[in-house]
Amino acid sequence: QQQVKQSPQSLIVQKGGIPIINCAYENTAFDYFPWYQQFPGKGPALLIAIRPDVSEKKEGRFTISFNKSAKQFSLHIMDSQPGDSATYFCAVDAGGTSYGKLTFGQGTILTVHP
Amino acid sequence: DSGVTQTPKHLITATGQRVTLRCSPRSGDLSVYWYQQSLDQGLQFLIQYYNGEERAKGNILERFSAQQFPDLHSELNLSSLELGDSALYFCASSKTSSGYEQYFGPGTRLTVT
Repeated sequence: QQQVKQSPQSLIVQKGGIPIINCAYENTAFDYFPWYQQFPGKGPALLIAIRPDVSEKKEGRFTISFNKSAKQFSLHIMDSQPGDSATYFCAVDAGGTSYGKLTFGQGTILTVHP
Repeated sequence: DSGVTQTPKHLITATGQRVTLRCSPRSGDLSVYWYQQSLDQGLQFLIQYYNGEERAKGNILERFSAQQFPDLHSELNLSSLELGDSALYFCASSKTSSGYEQYFGPGTRLTVT
């Protein structure tokens, strides 16, 4: 059972562009929505996260937009740089008795051309 | 550097064998999580331990088991290995049992031949 669907699978932008990665979830019980960044040969690194009581969160060039009614959340990368080229994963955390059980999307491979 | 350490970095073994992967969490973190990453299945949660106790379980095979020791390091044991078990295995840690702010280690790449 796929609880979170991520799109697109891959994305290519030019330096300075604003890539947008989307995730849709099914269960309204989720209460924590993180994004992770993974470089080749490394473990995923927590980038930014949002709780469902806010609609937007910014940290540096990274912004999460959250639409509770549509059960969707997205990652925007402002002024993208070649160093942002990586795989990005959204995730959901069920909370409650399932604390700790992050369910990840399938990932988006982002390439930023100089 | 997340502060989570995993050993070994690479492991090559044969089908039917048993291996042990080791994880040391960040200083002060009480929760340890194990994930499997493969091309076809993506990043899958296996199991969570909090302060020595099993806290949550994912689609972990019966051939796999884990434990967390009093010093909070954790081991993931994989037995009767099959070719399909070849994957990256990540350990993550967090301060609480909530699963928020999980920090991942560099992973162990397991190859079963």
